[in-house]
Amino acid sequence: SAVISQKPSRDICQRGTSLTIQCQVDSQVTMMFWYRQQPGQSLTLIATANQGSEATYESGFVIDKFPISRPNLTFSTLTVSNMSPEDSSIYLCSVAQSYNEQFFGPGTRLTVL
Amino acid sequence: ILNVEQSPQSLHVQEGDSTNFTCSFPSSNFYALHWYRWETAKSPEALFVMTLNGDEKKKGRISATLNTKEGYSYLYIKGSQPEDSATYLCAPTDSWGKLQFGAGTQVVVTP
Repeated sequence: SAVISQKPSRDICQRGTSLTIQCQVDSQVTMMFWYRQQPGQSLTLIATANQGSEATYESGFVIDKFPISRPNLTFSTLTVSNMSPEDSSIYLCSVAQSYNEQFFGPGTRLTVL
Repeated sequence: ILNVEQSPQSLHVQEGDSTNFTCSFPSSNFYALHWYRWETAKSPEALFVMTLNGDEKKKGRISATLNTKEGYSYLYIKGSQPEDSATYLCAPTDSWGKLQFGAGTQVVVTP
């Protein structure tokens, strides 16, 4: 299994600001994903981070709000833009070599005031 | 989008007791079912990936069964221990391979 780290582990941010979350993997992986879990809700897929091209977003998520970068096969960033309290969530990155198994990072706990 | 339901939402178990809970999902267009354990402040940990109807998987005191025809999976914990306290998530995938998570069952094991 891959070792995944995320930065920051938690943050408290003001409304209207943006936060960039980093995800680093210790080996090259084919697929990287970004999820969020709002309080009391399921883990929800935001987008698939594609190396060298634009991310693929799920229904209800847009690039302007959640820009994603993936410059190589071991690193990705997710930015939460123009934050509001509704963006308070746990944000997780995950990686996979196939759709049979995904490994998750430790998550970033975001609180927006 | 797959409609995934997990029940109960939470349960309290006495140490040493066994327990089980359910994940239900649409049986059409099924590809695989994943179970994860998510402890507070840690990464979700993959427990099982199940694909075949009638599949049974076991990892220590935890086991799972799968019924793809009726669209449900059970997860069992035998002789619960405090370290089993976590939220257990199931996530079926369709042919596109994306995980669709349920809301989870939160298990609290008390000594």
